[in-house]
Amino acid sequence: EVQLVQSGAEVKKPGESLRISCKGSGYTFTSYWVGWVRQMPGKGLEWMGIIYPGDSDTRYSPSFQGQVTISADKSIRTAYLQWSSLRASDTAMYYCARSDSGVFSTFDFWGQGTLVTVSS
Amino acid sequence: EIVLTQSPGTLSLSPGEGATLSCRASQSVSSSYLAWYQQKPGQAPRLLMYGASSRATGIPDRFSGSGSGTDFTLTISRLEPEDFAVYYCQQYGSSPLTFGGGTKVEIE
Repeated sequence: EVQLVQSGAEVKKPGESLRISCKGSGYTFTSYWVGWVRQMPGKGLEWMGIIYPGDSDTRYSPSFQGQVTISADKSIRTAYLQWSSLRASDTAMYYCARSDSGVFSTFDFWGQGTLVTVSS
Repeated sequence: EIVLTQSPGTLSLSPGEGATLSCRASQSVSSSYLAWYQQKPGQAPRLLMYGASSRATGIPDRFSGSGSGTDFTLTISRLEPEDFAVYYCQQYGSSPLTFGGGTKVEIE
């Protein structure tokens, strides 16, 4: 069974750093792209970027380029989303999801989401 | 960037009725790389349709999709209680991939 299990909810202060994780199982982790999607409170879905754990090839949406870093450690089947300096506007639910076939594809399996709250 | 506009914002219907959801793109979506997702409160989105008209694994046949170019439609033939949710379209033909703003299907 394909599963993506994300790390737990985080409460941070503005300016702090953060890394959240997404662990894949039930499939060949290095053969599928893993993407990140933001959902701000009460809002829609936003595609942030995507990584190929096999070689760490990464693509970003222009809206998120330079704002976050996506990485992966294939030895532990885990993808990451990190911030160096959080803002209140980063408060959102973040989902990781497996891309069915390549960068230009649908997300067929999703993690349960990680809620990030940034507040002073 | 391709902007997807979904309409209506909210659809108020009763179980057993049919629903028609629209997704319009600011430019042509290549190869009909248009998907639909369903999201229920407190849950992650779930893939419903891909390639504009193909159902994902396990999706019942009361869901159907159509369209090409810039205009796409998701149709639910007879609403079941579990279908009341928010629906998002997504284009995955060009970077950055983008989602529409969503249509909420609520119980009237």
